[in-house]
Amino acid sequence: SQTIHQWPATLVQPVGSPLSLECTVEGTSNPNLYWYRQAAGRGLQLLFYSVGIGQISSEVPQNLSASRPQDRQFILSSKKLLLSDSGFYLCAWSGPSYEQYFGPGTRLTVT
Amino acid sequence: SQQGEEDPQALSIQEGENATMNCSYKTSINNLQWYRQNSGRGLVHLILIRSNEREKHSGRLRVTLDTSKKSSSLLITASRAADTASYFCATAPTSGTYKYIFGTGTRLKVLA
Repeated sequence: SQTIHQWPATLVQPVGSPLSLECTVEGTSNPNLYWYRQAAGRGLQLLFYSVGIGQISSEVPQNLSASRPQDRQFILSSKKLLLSDSGFYLCAWSGPSYEQYFGPGTRLTVT
Repeated sequence: SQQGEEDPQALSIQEGENATMNCSYKTSINNLQWYRQNSGRGLVHLILIRSNEREKHSGRLRVTLDTSKKSSSLLITASRAADTASYFCATAPTSGTYKYIFGTGTRLKVLA
């Protein structure tokens, strides 16, 4: 069966520090991968999605970037965090059936 | 921009009652999906309805889709305290794309 891992679960980082969040998927090949951000009590904002290795689509201009170095690995990065980067970050994958499967999320607090 | 808008934003009902929440969207869609999110957790897929379907059932869940009105509803029958969560609709706007747009969500609270 398919499993999606996301870490860390929580993270507190100072303004201006770098960020690296990692997401890996098991049990499937060539998944579509997604990064979302969710502000407290709000809906999901699509940040990046990828349909293949090295193929990244950015949806929102920001100081974040994403990479897909392997088929089932998706990384969200920043060189310098801003206060506004705080939020709940969710990784997800989907296959040809359109259903999305989410990881447990990372709660990022930028201080 | 967010395409899906759920209504109501919050809903509080007694255990055993039915809960109905609605979703409106703006563009043509390939399919519409409903997800549940427990507080502080990832989203869980509940049900998918395709643009050529009008109604779909899964256990205590019933989803309807009206493409002429660009709206969908999710009905949870005989609600339980464990149904307390936020519910989101998500649309895949065009055929062949896997880019989803999520609504703002309905926070459901089921009182025991």
